[in-house]
Amino acid sequence: AQTVTQSQPEMSVQEAETVTLSCTYDTSESDYYLFWYKQPPSRQMILVIRQEAYKQQNATENRFSVNFQKAAKSFSLKISDSQLGDAAMYFCAFQIRDDKIIFGKGTRLHILP
Amino acid sequence: DAGITQSPRHKVTETGTPVTLRCHQTENHRYMYWYRQDPGHGLRLIHYSYGVKDTDKGEVSDGYSVSRSKTEDFLLTLESATSSQTSVYFCAIRYSNIYNEQFFGPGTRLTVL
Repeated sequence: AQTVTQSQPEMSVQEAETVTLSCTYDTSESDYYLFWYKQPPSRQMILVIRQEAYKQQNATENRFSVNFQKAAKSFSLKISDSQLGDAAMYFCAFQIRDDKIIFGKGTRLHILP
Repeated sequence: DAGITQSPRHKVTETGTPVTLRCHQTENHRYMYWYRQDPGHGLRLIHYSYGVKDTDKGEVSDGYSVSRSKTEDFLLTLESATSSQTSVYFCAIRYSNIYNEQFFGPGTRLTVL
């Protein structure tokens, strides 16, 4: 069975600094996708970034980037120049092609002004 | 926002009463999902649908049923609500692209007294 583990239930970062959220997963598959979702206080689930397992290049979306280590089954999210609007719950998610998404339990990120 | 709406957005009900939550999409996506979100558990899949009248169980399906008579509507029913079903419920659709990523509705907060 596939599992996703986010080992940091909560984190804090100073505004304008960089923070990295950790995610590890377990699977025997070789073709899959990884996602980071953001859930702000509004409760809306927002897709932040996505990564295909067969791509070695790490995905980047503006201030958000990932460090994808396939052999280590690690998929961390780096937020650069943290802003107050980045405060949210962040979920790491894993999906085998054409199958269901498995979510981690989330990391709550606080931004300190 | 992938044209997903959920109704109602908030509901308070009593134990033993039936409850139906509606998910409506406007973009003709084949796959639709119902999740529940509880503190410490992330998002857990209840049921999903892969077409009209085609549904299957997820991780936490006990006590829930679903129906999909039209492409655009996916209904989640609690036949006899219990306090353990107090949660936030999210509907999602899956895009048919290379990533198959899911996009979420705004959520429904259900309280069972």
